[in-house]
Amino acid sequence: EADIYQTPRYLVIGTGKKITLECSQTMGHDKMYWYQQDPGMELHLIHYSYGVNSTEKGDLSSESTVSRIRTEHFPLTLESARPSHTSQYLCASSGGPLGAFFGQGTRLTVV
Amino acid sequence: GQQLNQSPQSMFIQEGEDVSMNCTSSSIFNTWLWYKQDPGEGPVLLIALYKAGELTSNGRLTAQFGITRKDSFLNISASIPSDVGIYFCAGPASGTYKYIFGTGTRLKVLA
Repeated sequence: EADIYQTPRYLVIGTGKKITLECSQTMGHDKMYWYQQDPGMELHLIHYSYGVNSTEKGDLSSESTVSRIRTEHFPLTLESARPSHTSQYLCASSGGPLGAFFGQGTRLTVV
Repeated sequence: GQQLNQSPQSMFIQEGEDVSMNCTSSSIFNTWLWYKQDPGEGPVLLIALYKAGELTSNGRLTAQFGITRKDSFLNISASIPSDVGIYFCAGPASGTYKYIFGTGTRLKVLA
């Protein structure tokens, strides 16, 4: 089972602030993902990476950006947070066809 | 794009009952994954299926990969209160490692 960590768990922030959600994994997985999920709803892929310096946008359009400078680290940044960004953000990693392993998520509230 | 539809959307059952849920797609998947998500947490992988017709168990859980590769089901036997949560099927989009998630089945167990 992958060890994957997200910080912070909860974040309440004002409109217009810049935020970075952290995600790190210790399993050496080359593939990493960010999903956005409203409470009790489906998971929507917003970003993914197949390795260092490789990032792609997912199926759901997002104003966030990501970077992959190190294998273990895949942060997500919002340059100017808005109330519409309020959601849960889930990070996952995968070593291949065995499935994706998730962190505990960051619940973001923009006021 | 590829979509995964789950049914039922919600279930209310009595403790001790058996549960059955399924996941269907209009396109072929080569891997089927079943996850459970507890409130406020990230999804946890329960069962992975890799071959058409494969039947796999994990404790009280049993899942099968449909022969047509367009569907899968998950059964839970003798449900207990901690089975409460959202169950998602998932699979990699064709030719990629982008994991697509289904619409979810929300399970509530009445003691």
